[in-house]
Amino acid sequence: QVQLQQSGPGLVKPSQTLSLTCAISGDSVSSRSCAWNWIRQSPSRGLEWLGRTYYRSTKWYNDYPVSVESRVTINADTSKNQFSLQLNSVTPEDTAVYYCARDTGTTFPFDYWGQGILVTVSS
Amino acid sequence: DIQMTQSPSALSASVGDRVTITCRASQSINSCLAWYQHKPGRAPKLLIYKASNLEGGVPSRFSGSGSGTEFTLTISSLQPDDFATYYCQQYNSYTPITFGQGTKVEIK
Repeated sequence: QVQLQQSGPGLVKPSQTLSLTCAISGDSVSSRSCAWNWIRQSPSRGLEWLGRTYYRSTKWYNDYPVSVESRVTINADTSKNQFSLQLNSVTPEDTAVYYCARDTGTTFPFDYWGQGILVTVSS
Repeated sequence: DIQMTQSPSALSASVGDRVTITCRASQSINSCLAWYQHKPGRAPKLLIYKASNLEGGVPSRFSGSGSGTEFTLTISSLQPDDFATYYCQQYNSYTPITFGQGTKVEIK
């Protein structure tokens, strides 16, 4: 059974960097058939996909939507079997519940999700 | 990006009612459409993938249909556990993943 356990601060100051981690059990972040995603939800924006990281052949890849690609970085840590989200220059608009999730390919949906973390951007 | 438009945004229904939610894509997504159930304080739960395939463990009262740009989620007989918000999601290859804005199913 795959489990995703999220961790990170629930409060971030404006202009600073939001950092969250998603620890994986029951699968490997280096799996060549999965991708590891971050999604957020806010009342104003609904569900918004923030990007993913995945390993194919011998390389790591990332996909980000245009809306956040200048501010977002998703990295894998194979030694800890986890992946992380960094979102730079946050504003109150980035206040949301953040989720990590797995998909099993570019033509598959998210089948396992983390528990979600509410991150509030406020001074 | 592909825009996903759900309707209605909210509905009130009674236990036992048949409920239908529609999702329209701004361009064809080749059946790469999923439906999720989301309850407050919990992670979204995958119900349907590839437009009409029931995820393992999901009750058979949930069904999905459609192709191209028009898709439907149907709950054949609404149960108390089904009151939640439902989202569609497109995951067509090589395009950013996008979600519908959600449909809140409330008790009548």
